[in-house]
Amino acid sequence: DGGITQSPKYLFRKEGQNVTLSCEQNLNHDAMYWYRQDPGQGLRLIYYSQIVNDFQKGDIAEGYSVSREKKESFPLTVTSAQKNPTAFYLCASSPQLGRWTDTQYFGPGTRLTVL
Amino acid sequence: GQQVMQIPQYQHVQEGEDFTTYCNSSTTLSNIQWYKQRPGGHPVFLIQLVKSGEVKKQKRLTFQFGEAKKNSSLHITATQTTDVGTYFCAGAGGTSYGKLTFGQGTILTVHP
Repeated sequence: DGGITQSPKYLFRKEGQNVTLSCEQNLNHDAMYWYRQDPGQGLRLIYYSQIVNDFQKGDIAEGYSVSREKKESFPLTVTSAQKNPTAFYLCASSPQLGRWTDTQYFGPGTRLTVL
Repeated sequence: GQQVMQIPQYQHVQEGEDFTTYCNSSTTLSNIQWYKQRPGGHPVFLIQLVKSGEVKKQKRLTFQFGEAKKNSSLHITATQTTDVGTYFCAGAGGTSYGKLTFGQGTILTVHP
């Protein structure tokens, strides 16, 4: 059963703690993305990666970090430097970065609440 | 950078009424994609438009891409309660290098 998995679905953390969100895909896609969704603001790109061991900052990368050690995995760490981390985080993948006609496949998301 | 504006932000309709959401880009797009996100769910791809002036239909949904490839619309005829959710447009092209720039989304509520 192919797709993208994100875990956990809900996550609670205390302010000042780093937290890592998991994203795994078995679609054999090269490109992976992390988005943040807040009410009324659509999807904002945090980081993206087009190949293993390579990733680039998106529009709102401050306070976040990523790694891409394996093709199928693209974990996102929300650090204590992120001023407003409570949000819905979506991971996505597409066959190839830079190919205009590729669509993106989204995981179910992780809703992070920082108390 | 590239910006994609989408209006309206919210739309409430009675079941059976039509619904339209509009998308405008600050730059010319190579293509535009539309996604639907059900309440509590994740965005799911609906369709992609590539050609200038292109019109595509999916049952009660009609998608249009403007002649200048800077705007697009999604029209739903005779809405049903199953149409509820957030509809996003996402543009690709220009300096975005294959990344998608999402509009803010239109949240559709359908009252039975």
